[in-house]
Amino acid sequence: NAGVTQTPKFQVLKTGQSMTLQCAQDMNHNSMYWYRQDPGMGLRLIYYSASEGTTDKGEVPNGYNVSRLNKREFSLRLESAAPSQTSVYFCAIALLDTNTEAFFGQGTRLTVV
Amino acid sequence: EDKVVQSPLSLVVHEGDTVTLNCSYEVTNFRSLLWYKQEKKAPTFLFMLTSSGIEKKSGRLSSILDKKELSSILNITATQTGDSAIYLCAVGEPYSNYQLIWGAGTKLIIKP
Repeated sequence: NAGVTQTPKFQVLKTGQSMTLQCAQDMNHNSMYWYRQDPGMGLRLIYYSASEGTTDKGEVPNGYNVSRLNKREFSLRLESAAPSQTSVYFCAIALLDTNTEAFFGQGTRLTVV
Repeated sequence: EDKVVQSPLSLVVHEGDTVTLNCSYEVTNFRSLLWYKQEKKAPTFLFMLTSSGIEKKSGRLSSILDKKELSSILNITATQTGDSAIYLCAVGEPYSNYQLIWGAGTKLIIKP
């Protein structure tokens, strides 16, 4: 999707390894989100950032950390990966305070073995 | 607890059929309801429904919001194999930094 770039697209980790998922947007949106999607469970919010320098926990934050260094970039870090974190991860952006849709990155398929 | 429930969870129909997907919600403060289509990758936006825009239509797809019944339907007429996807419903709340509460989705399969 134009405007939201997410890397990597695929990743396999061993239990206990760490990694960072990167998300960058060029749409000048305020709020950015990290979701995970598991079969039959829809999208679950991990963390979100309403603006540069602020972050808040979502529904399933345990095992993750995030960083919003500037308006464009919002990264998600797994410090010590666990098999339960095997999932598809999506970064999304939206305009705060307006009725507008969320735009998604293409997703990262992460497998933890 | 806020929640969004979609039904059915999966649906198989033949090309040319008309389908109706359902989304019901229970949220403290309703702002908008959104429909997305997800094929193999990221969800793509279809419609947004709000108190001031309760009906939307685009080609063979249409959606209606029923604020009394706290629900929405997504209709697809004259279905095509390209309509096969997971259809996601989400509800936005105005006082939670625009967090979206997502349903689990309806998996729609169109057989030729």
